[in-house]
Amino acid sequence: GEDVEQSLFLSVREGDSSVINCTYTDSSSTYLYWYKQEPGAGLQLLTYIFSNMDMKQDQRLTVLLNKKDKHLSLRIADTQTGDSAIYFCAVLSGTYKYIFGTGTRLKVLA
Amino acid sequence: NAGVTQTPKFQVLKTGQSMTLQCAQDMNHEYMSWYRQDPGMGLRLIHYSVGAGITDQGEVPNGYNVSRSTTEDFPLRLLSAAPSQTSVYFCASSYGTSGRNTQYFGPGTRLTVL
Repeated sequence: GEDVEQSLFLSVREGDSSVINCTYTDSSSTYLYWYKQEPGAGLQLLTYIFSNMDMKQDQRLTVLLNKKDKHLSLRIADTQTGDSAIYFCAVLSGTYKYIFGTGTRLKVLA
Repeated sequence: NAGVTQTPKFQVLKTGQSMTLQCAQDMNHEYMSWYRQDPGMGLRLIHYSVGAGITDQGEVPNGYNVSRSTTEDFPLRLLSAAPSQTSVYFCASSYGTSGRNTQYFGPGTRLTVL
């Protein structure tokens, strides 16, 4: 089946940039997403990118998509302690099925 | 709007027991889905629905049943619980089935099967 992979952990210092990476296998994925999950809560959509785009910027967030390598990344500028959470990459596979990665736990050190 | 609500928040079952996890949304969303979240495995799609009366299987449907008699509700049934079903379950909904529609997630149900 289709797969989405992420590294499990990332630690950065407050004020630095964070880059969370994701690779996927379904080359026909049309939409690719980044979600944030805080402790004890559900997932919250941060941003998404359509497959015909290379980059999308939304305030402190920058999404880069390399379709050739099937690689998606999320850059968080000026990372704050409130950004500490689990970040999930997800792709829309086919019409109705969303495939999620394992999540990357971001720890921001003060 | 209450958004997506799930009940109960926590549940402990014994092997072989049955139960229903409730999910409701008040946003008139067409698309609803159930996921389970396990450590190191991310979220996996169990079942989904694209409208009242229409359901389909996701990635890990075995051991779970769903129905969608109304737009608002999408319950998930465990007919005979097994320890392998210990997990956190999330319900999600979105307005339409286009990928640009935001999926809203409920707060989750933490289920333990002994």
